[in-house]
Amino acid sequence: GAVVSQHPSRVICKSGTSVKIECRSLDFQATTMFWYRQFPKQSLMLMATSNEGSKATYEQGVEKDKFLINHASLTLSTLTVTSAHPEDSSFYICSARDKAYQWADTQYFGPGTRLTVL
Amino acid sequence: GEDVEQSLFLSVREGDSSVINCTYTDSSSTYLYWYKQEPGAGLQLLTYIFSNMDMKQDQRLTVLLNKKDKHLSLRIADTQTGDSAIYFCAESTSGNTPLVFGKGTRLSVIA
Repeated sequence: GAVVSQHPSRVICKSGTSVKIECRSLDFQATTMFWYRQFPKQSLMLMATSNEGSKATYEQGVEKDKFLINHASLTLSTLTVTSAHPEDSSFYICSARDKAYQWADTQYFGPGTRLTVL
Repeated sequence: GEDVEQSLFLSVREGDSSVINCTYTDSSSTYLYWYKQEPGAGLQLLTYIFSNMDMKQDQRLTVLLNKKDKHLSLRIADTQTGDSAIYFCAESTSGNTPLVFGKGTRLSVIA
């Protein structure tokens, strides 16, 4: 089945530093990738939609200058949390939509990245 | 905007059936999904159903859709301790729209 990987799985950083999270579709091409954020014991909150070769579309309330998204290829999207602060600590999950899967809209989720900002 | 509601907790005995319910508000929802999330892990797609279907069965999982009432349910037969997890209901209207998730139902299976 389709596999989406995220790297790193866990990161701890100091306040003020930037952190890059990678999301890769391993065995399929993904024209669209989505970035979600999950707070403890809560649902997933969509942050942005990333289309290959174009600028990401951010949800209301998400700072585009703080959460930089790059979708440079059909298999890779990156999320960079710039000047991270403790309130950015969260579980970040990406998902990718299989370009070739025409008959059902399925998004495959990565395993998530737990970010802790000290 | 769209809204997806689920009950937050469900506790069942091992071997019994579990039924997790979900309601949604968007009448243009085309795809409805059930995801499973184990502690500290990402989401695993369990099953999905198109809005023109009433039922879908896949081994121990049965999904029922009542489009008139905008109600979706997931039945897990012969629930096992390994089924303990959070189950998210989600919907989308098209292939290029993101998923709208419910808050998740935490299923606890008692041995």
